[in-house]
Amino acid sequence: GAGVSQSPSNKVTEKGKDVELRCDPISGHTALYWYRQSLGQGLEFLIYFQGNSAPDKSGLPSDRFSAERTGGSVSTLTIQRTQQEDSAVYLCASSTRDNYYGYTFGSGTRLTVV
Amino acid sequence: AQTVTQSQPEMSVQEAETVTLSCTYDTSESDYYLFWYKQPPSRQMILVIRQEAYKQQNATENRFSVNFQKAAKSFSLKISDSQLGDAAMYFCAYRSPSYTGTASKLTFGTGTRLQVTL
Repeated sequence: GAGVSQSPSNKVTEKGKDVELRCDPISGHTALYWYRQSLGQGLEFLIYFQGNSAPDKSGLPSDRFSAERTGGSVSTLTIQRTQQEDSAVYLCASSTRDNYYGYTFGSGTRLTVV
Repeated sequence: AQTVTQSQPEMSVQEAETVTLSCTYDTSESDYYLFWYKQPPSRQMILVIRQEAYKQQNATENRFSVNFQKAAKSFSLKISDSQLGDAAMYFCAYRSPSYTGTASKLTFGTGTRLQVTL
């Protein structure tokens, strides 16, 4: 597509429920990143996919968080047993392999855990 | 690990005036990339300007320019002739030269919220 698409735009969930956030990157971009933006904070790196290589999961805050990327395109970030501290904006970005011009971001998913 | 610091949580500028947003970073690398991103209320991060560390010339994009001081590890953003549409959060970001693994990820500062007044 023309840009990075994320869905849903907003999600309210009850504490303890599982949620899935979706990211559809720009066609042809081999690299895909997930970041978390908490209120008043910068962007916290979560996970990185590059082509068919094993993802770099070094930023995932706990084993409740997982992500997959199917067919080298669409990615899903899953948060199990959500907690209130998971409330944040989750941003997805994609780039060409060399990331020369930085990322193209989606508009994010605002997750609220009540 | 690299760190990026933005010491100004909020800034305000009058329309048509000039404002400078500060950014410092810490790294032991000699070659790297620096970016400024804008995040309006729509939440979508937009690339404003980028700078390659090996280039001495400061990058410029229309009303946006940077003052890159490599020795001081400083990378400030100057917005000239400020417009109402410039109101947003601005993030400074750092990237290592290697494009494999997490070295390709961007490290962001905590952002500066810019208000533009009439």
